[in-house]
Amino acid sequence: EIVMTQSPATLSVSPGERATLSCRASQSISSNLAWYQQKPGQAPRLLIYGASTRATGIPARFSGSGSGTDFTLTITSLQSEDFAVYYCQQYNKWPPWTFGQGTKVEIK
Amino acid sequence: QVQLVQSGAEVKRPGASVKVSCSTSGYSFSYYAIHWVRQAPGQRLEWMGWINADNGFTEYSQKFQDRITMTRDTSASTAYLELSSLRSEDTAFYYCARDRGRLITFGGATGTFDIWGQGTMVTVSS
Repeated sequence: EIVMTQSPATLSVSPGERATLSCRASQSISSNLAWYQQKPGQAPRLLIYGASTRATGIPARFSGSGSGTDFTLTITSLQSEDFAVYYCQQYNKWPPWTFGQGTKVEIK
Repeated sequence: QVQLVQSGAEVKRPGASVKVSCSTSGYSFSYYAIHWVRQAPGQRLEWMGWINADNGFTEYSQKFQDRITMTRDTSASTAYLELSSLRSEDTAFYYCARDRGRLITFGGATGTFDIWGQGTMVTVSS
């Protein structure tokens, strides 16, 4: 099973600033990585797949990069609605498809 | 618009079974796979398995292999998750999610989840 590790656990950012979230896979997953956003009491929402392709309707301030084992989600100019928990997920090798433990982006 | 609507919260005794439904609308049900993902309180998301909504093929996480069943009713555009031999550790939100890719395009599930149900809370307690 591929283990996904995210850092940091919590990121404190002021509105309008940039947030950079990291995700590492325990083995190479090529570019088969997705990012999801989850707000309290809601289901996750797909943001990015293929490491860098934005899902339908996702604003351009969300961008993803990386390949192999190291990946980054960048949110430029954080808006109030962006404060949430973000999960990375690998879909290179299954079963099972696996998620990271999440990074909480909170208001500084 | 595309929607996945799940059945309501459940409270079960240890050892019992639970069956959760996922009613879909706004797209051709048999064109996409449906996955089930759960999230225990304060924990990461955990993929449980998927079902090919066209032919009913299923693939499960080994963790649940001996007590999970996924089915679908194409006439009702609905998928089901049944989990048996429940224990307290199964207390979680259970989500259904549509696979992002069309089955015919990718020859199966892509393993990415573009539309999610609202979640069903299952509580296992004596």
